[in-house]
Amino acid sequence: AQSVAQPEDQVNVAEGNPLTVKCTYSVSGNPYLFWYVQYPNRGLQFLLKYITGDNLVKGSYGFEAEFNKSQTSFHLKKPSALVSDSALYFCAVRDAWDTGFQKLVFGTGTRLLVSP
Amino acid sequence: SQTIHQWPATLVQPVGSPLSLECTVEGTSNPNLYWYRQAAGRGLQLLFYSVGIGQISSEVPQNLSASRPQDRQFILSSKKLLLSDSGFYLCAWRLEQRGSTDTQYFGPGTRLTVL
Repeated sequence: AQSVAQPEDQVNVAEGNPLTVKCTYSVSGNPYLFWYVQYPNRGLQFLLKYITGDNLVKGSYGFEAEFNKSQTSFHLKKPSALVSDSALYFCAVRDAWDTGFQKLVFGTGTRLLVSP
Repeated sequence: SQTIHQWPATLVQPVGSPLSLECTVEGTSNPNLYWYRQAAGRGLQLLFYSVGIGQISSEVPQNLSASRPQDRQFILSSKKLLLSDSGFYLCAWRLEQRGSTDTQYFGPGTRLTVL
């Protein structure tokens, strides 16, 4: 069965500094990996995904993520954080061998707080 | 473009009362549909998913049920609410295609408080 770990409950960063939100995964086959962001009392918004190809994936709002197969990681990054990036971030994984209803497994979320 | 709606946005219900939450998707056909619950503003728990009209699968046995009366409508129900049913309920859709790697897209959610 697949699983996702987000080891940090909260990440604090100053505006203008680079940010990293960590994610590690476990799947039987090849992973399909996703990042979502959630603002207070809102649904999840899709940021980016890795399916195959380039290990560095670029997404919305200047975010990118790096897939590292040997470390089974998919960390979310941004070169320069904005206060408006403060939100809850979820990593999710699907096993590429799952051709059924394609269940996504989510991490517990990491709260990003960007200070002015 | 596709949009997903959830109704109502917030709901306060007494224990033992019935529940009906609605999710509708526009701009696509034959989507896969999902109900999640998010407790305490954190992890998401998959409750139900549906691959077509009348086809519902449950991930976790509980006090809730789901129905899909139309292609783009997904309803979450309960006959008698429990305190533990409180949470943020999210509906999501995904386009069903052979070998699809498409993303799940989420609705705005319904905040349910059971008193």
